[in-house]
Amino acid sequence: GAVVSQHPSWVICKSGTSVKIECRSLDFQATTMFWYRQFPKQSLMLMATSNEGSKATYEQGVEKDKFLINHASLTLSTLTVTSAHPEDSSFYICSAMIGVETQYFGPGTRLLVL
Amino acid sequence: AQKVTQAQTEISVVEKEDVTLDCVYETRDTTYYLFWYKQPPSGELVFLIRRNSFDEQNEISGRYSWNFQKSTSSFNFTITASQVVDSAVYFCALSEALGGSEKLVFGKGTKLTVNP
Repeated sequence: GAVVSQHPSWVICKSGTSVKIECRSLDFQATTMFWYRQFPKQSLMLMATSNEGSKATYEQGVEKDKFLINHASLTLSTLTVTSAHPEDSSFYICSAMIGVETQYFGPGTRLLVL
Repeated sequence: AQKVTQAQTEISVVEKEDVTLDCVYETRDTTYYLFWYKQPPSGELVFLIRRNSFDEQNEISGRYSWNFQKSTSSFNFTITASQVVDSAVYFCALSEALGGSEKLVFGKGTKLTVNP
């Protein structure tokens, strides 16, 4: 299957700092990438849809100024958690879409805000 | 609105047993896709299968098989001769194929534990 990478896999930061997470499609070009958040023992919650060269579309209740998404190329999307707080601690997962059908997921990034 | 229900929160079996994970979905669309993903303890979601709404043929891939029945809006997943490595959380998901929406709606997941 298609390969999607995320970096970093783990990040621990102090409250108030900003954290950038990268999502890359390694062996294909992805016009659309998605960002999800997953709390322990829960399902995935879609945060936003990211299209290359255009502004991301955020789901209801997700603060766009808090979670900045940039999709600068067909293989890279970034999620920046600005002024992170302990409640932002979570597992963040990106996915990249091939065609209009299947999403392939990255390995996820565990964020811990102290 | 779309909805995916995985009624089984947790299942525990002994190695070599067969196990079926249930998935029931709701959608008003006539064209849609159904998916199963596996999430092992490492966290990465692994794509298992995609099925479009016009293809009701059951599929078998090794020890995995899927039973898609539109009449009951179900897309169940069976693992035969389960192994310890099958232990994971399994998510069923639904997406629309029309209307420009490529979003996946996930069920809450079923945690499968296969004991030796």
